[in-house]
Amino acid sequence: EAQVTQNPRYLITVTGKKLTVTCSQNMNHEYMSWYRQDPGLGLRQIYYSMNVEVTDKGDVPEGYKVSRKEKRNFPLILESPSPNQTSLYFCASSPRGRDSYEQYFGPGTRLTVT
Amino acid sequence: AQTVTQSQPEMSVQEAETVTLSCTYDTSENNYYLFWYKQPPSRQMILVIRQEAYKQQNATENRFSVNFQKAAKSFSLKISDSQLGDTAMYFCAFMKGRGGGGADGLTFGKGTHLIIQP
Repeated sequence: EAQVTQNPRYLITVTGKKLTVTCSQNMNHEYMSWYRQDPGLGLRQIYYSMNVEVTDKGDVPEGYKVSRKEKRNFPLILESPSPNQTSLYFCASSPRGRDSYEQYFGPGTRLTVT
Repeated sequence: AQTVTQSQPEMSVQEAETVTLSCTYDTSENNYYLFWYKQPPSRQMILVIRQEAYKQQNATENRFSVNFQKAAKSFSLKISDSQLGDTAMYFCAFMKGRGGGGADGLTFGKGTHLIIQP
């Protein structure tokens, strides 16, 4: 089944404790992105990647890191989480191609930082 | 940079009625795509409908249709014969075409919470 998976789905952690949210897709997509969703703000892009070893900042990158060592994986790293990073996080992927713009979303990761 | 504005934070209609959700956007791009996503209580993001800016014909998917007014930069979603299962958050989103390079990904509006009353 074609899908984007995220782990963990739920995470409660404490300020300053490094964490990684994994994202994996099995569709051989070139493009991947991370978004965060906050009430009243919609979804905002954190980072995106156009292919292996090609990443760039989105609209709200502060406090986050990413890497793209393999095509299928795009982990989101919070080196020193803070309470303002409490949010719902989505990973998404899409294929390269002139008319291939549909984004396939993962199920989301609910992160709480205390 | 582009912006997407949804001016209706919440709407409520009776089952079987028709409802229209508003969305306006601002961009200097000529090649772009517009989307409506549905987010039910499960939080899954579900693509409802998409519109290519170069197409004049409005997109339609069963009970869902859009009114795309390119000059006015307006992209509203009409849901006909609304059903209880349509209750969800609806997000309007913009994506610029990839041919010109630059940033990739979606720019979202803040969402409209649609409630279908029995």
